[in-house]
This record gives sequence, C-alpha cells and structure tokens, in this order.
Amino acid sequence: GVTQSPTHLIKTRGQQVTLRCSSQSGHNTVSWYQQALGQGPQFIFQYYRKEENGRGNFPPRFSGLQFPNDSSELNVNALELDDSALYLCASSSRGTGVETQYFGPGTRLLVL
Amino acid sequence: KQEVTQIPAALSVPEGENLVLNCSFTDSAIYNLQWFRQDPGKGLTSLLLIQSSQREQTSGRLNASLDKSSGRSTLYIAASQPGDSATYLCAVRSDSWGKLQFGAGTQVVVTP
Repeated sequence: GVTQSPTHLIKTRGQQVTLRCSSQSGHNTVSWYQQALGQGPQFIFQYYRKEENGRGNFPPRFSGLQFPNDSSELNVNALELDDSALYLCASSSRGTGVETQYFGPGTRLLVL
Repeated sequence: KQEVTQIPAALSVPEGENLVLNCSFTDSAIYNLQWFRQDPGKGLTSLLLIQSSQREQTSGRLNASLDKSSGRSTLYIAASQPGDSATYLCAVRSDSWGKLQFGAGTQVVVTP
C-alpha cells in the first residue's frame, strides 16, 4: 500500500517542511492533495516518471520530487497558517487504462 | 471550470436503512468518477470507480450510478450498519492524467 511519514507535524509560520510518501510498488505516478478541515482534497501537483505533470492552484513554494525507488516528497517553504491541513499522496499506474488512485493515510500538518 | 457538489453535507440514519448519497458535477465531459470513504483523520479508501462509458458499478452492498448527461452520480448503500459511519467523497477526473476534483463530502452517521 501507500505509506506516508510523518503522521503528524507541528511547525511555526515561516519554517519549511518536507513530507514523504512511499507509493505502491510498480506505480509510476504520484499525486499530492491538500485537505483542509471539512473540505474535500485539493490537487497540488502530480509527478509522472519524476517530472511534474500538472499543478493545481498552489504557489511555487509548494514543490516536489519523485525518486527511482517509488518514493516522493512534498516540500513547503515559508509556511503560512493556512497551510495547516491533512496532506495526502496518491499513487497510480498511468497507461493501464483503469487508473484508480490509491491514497495514503496522510500527514496532518499544524502551522502555529 | 469543473465544480463538484455533494448534498446533503451530513446525514444520520438508523441501522438497516438504505443510504442514498448524491454527487453532481457541472461539466459532463468526464473521464471517470470515483467514490471514496474517509474515516476521521484518515486517508481515503476507494469504494467504486465508474468509467465515463459505464452507467453503474456494484460491489457488495454498494452500488454507484452515473448519468453524465445530467451531471449526477448516486451512491447507494444497502442495509446500512454502524460501521458505515464515515465521510463519503466523490471525485471526478476530467482528463486522462489523473487529477481528481473532489466534492466536500457527505458525513454519514448510522445509529444502532
């Protein structure tokens, strides 16, 4: 399955944070979503074969990496209070025709 | 711009009743639609995925229908149980590269 670390994180405004995701084995695509309390997840960006392949309405201080070992990172610089949310990663296998996205348990980020 | 809406936002039913959850979307040109379940503070579990060419999908007590022309999908859960208590989210994919657009979800409580 898809795993994420850490499960919870507390940061202060202005700091930087790195969230990690381990995709399901054999999946070549990872997507990151931000879910504020009481809302549906919002698409941040997607990585396919280690290249960013689409971005939602998020500023450049949100960046990512995808590694050869099926892991990926979400980096957020200059944290703001509104960045407090559950961050979800989802992996899928692009090109199979039926691309169910499998979600990890999420990382809960609190910015003080 | 695609907008996904779920009504009602919350629903409480006694055990044994059938659940009917609604999802509407504004742009009928979708690639597929997926229903997820989310337990409090947790990630998303995929329940059913309906391709744009399909009218419905079934899995056990779950049945999801899709009417693209009217921009609607309905998730039916038969004979509800307390373990069905969760938030149910629908998400549409409008293109082949996997970005999901979510509704805000319907929070379901099944009382014993």
